[in-house]
Amino acid sequence: GAVVSQHPSWVICKSGTSVKIECRSLDFQATTMFWYRQFPKQSLMLMATSNEGSKATYEQGVEKDKFLINHASLTLSTLTVTSAHPEDSSFYICSASPHFESGANVLTFGAGSRLTVL
Amino acid sequence: GQNIDQPTEMTATEGAIVQINCTYQTSGFNGLFWYQQHAGEAPTFLSYNVLDGLEEKGRFSSFLSRSKGYSYLLLKELQMKDSASYLCAVKDSNYQLIWGAGTKLIIKP
Repeated sequence: GAVVSQHPSWVICKSGTSVKIECRSLDFQATTMFWYRQFPKQSLMLMATSNEGSKATYEQGVEKDKFLINHASLTLSTLTVTSAHPEDSSFYICSASPHFESGANVLTFGAGSRLTVL
Repeated sequence: GQNIDQPTEMTATEGAIVQINCTYQTSGFNGLFWYQQHAGEAPTFLSYNVLDGLEEKGRFSSFLSRSKGYSYLLLKELQMKDSASYLCAVKDSNYQLIWGAGTKLIIKP
């Protein structure tokens, strides 16, 4: 089955620093990857859709200059949280699927990255 | 607007059966998914329905009625490890996944 690897699984950083999270599709090519954020006891919130070779599509209310997404290859997307603040502390999860536009194809999630900003 | 409704929390007893309902109103329909998410972990896929009817997979079954905009996830022979949140998601006409808020299932001995 499809495998998505996400790194790091957890990170603690100081306020004002930047943090990069990597998401890799290990056994398939993903032209599209999705970045979610989840606060404690809340549901998944889609932040942005990462498109290989083009700009990401951000959801309403998500600052594109703060959450930089790069999808430079068919197997790697990165999310950089710039100038992180304590309110950015959250669980960030990436996901992907081969041929996502096909209805039956299942979205596979990475293990998630728990960010704590001090 | 697009909306998916599911109960916030349910409690059941080990060994019993529980049904988690999901109703949806979306722009088009390209399938409904159920995911399981344990606390602090990423969601894992449970089931997919695109046609009306029941899909059975071991202790878990999922039902869909497109005319009613309704699905349920049925969990049988509940085990303590089934304590988790269960997320209902629908792919709309643009193949965007619309997520429900999740149902937290608590299993008691």
